[in-house]
Amino acid sequence: DGGITQSPKYLFRKEGQNVTLSCEQNLNHDAMYWYRQDPGQGLRLIYYSQIVNDFQKGDIAEGYSVSREKKESFPLTVTSAQKNPTAFYLCASSLAGQGGYEQYFGPGTRLTVT
Amino acid sequence: GESVGLHLPTLSVQEGDNSIINCAYSNSASDYFIWYKQESGKGPQFIIDIRSNMDKRQGQRVTVLLNKTVKHLSLQIAATQPGDSAVYFCAEVGSNYQLIWGAGTKLIIKP
Repeated sequence: DGGITQSPKYLFRKEGQNVTLSCEQNLNHDAMYWYRQDPGQGLRLIYYSQIVNDFQKGDIAEGYSVSREKKESFPLTVTSAQKNPTAFYLCASSLAGQGGYEQYFGPGTRLTVT
Repeated sequence: GESVGLHLPTLSVQEGDNSIINCAYSNSASDYFIWYKQESGKGPQFIIDIRSNMDKRQGQRVTVLLNKTVKHLSLQIAATQPGDSAVYFCAEVGSNYQLIWGAGTKLIIKP
């Protein structure tokens, strides 16, 4: 059963703590993405990776970090430097380059920082 | 372009009527466009796509129209049902093969 999984679905943290959100895919996709979505708003790109061991900043990378050590996994760390970390975080994957523009999304992780 | 700082426009439609959701895109060189549906609390799901060499494409109950002259994309949903309630996003492919997301439109179905 192929797809993208994100865990956990809900995550609560205290201000000042780093937190890592998990994203795993078994679609054999080269490219993976992290988006942030605030209530009533659209998607904003945080980071993306088109190949293992390489990743690029998106539009709102400040306060976030990622790694891409394996093709299947693209974890996102929300650091204490992120001023407003409470949001809905979406992970996606796609075939790289001209092979596939369609992005497949996970169910999302809702992070609440108090 | 992105919807940073903006709240979603809303479209209210009577159940059974047709819905038309509009989207303006930014890059006249874009050659591929996608519509996504996002239900509350879930990730977006692919609905339909269209390449720039087409001006219309039909799926099951959905039709996408592309007007390259005015850089406009629309999604038509026939006989709207309660399950169509969601936020709809258009996306265009940018120069580095990344998706550029539209602002999104919230579709509300009135019984």
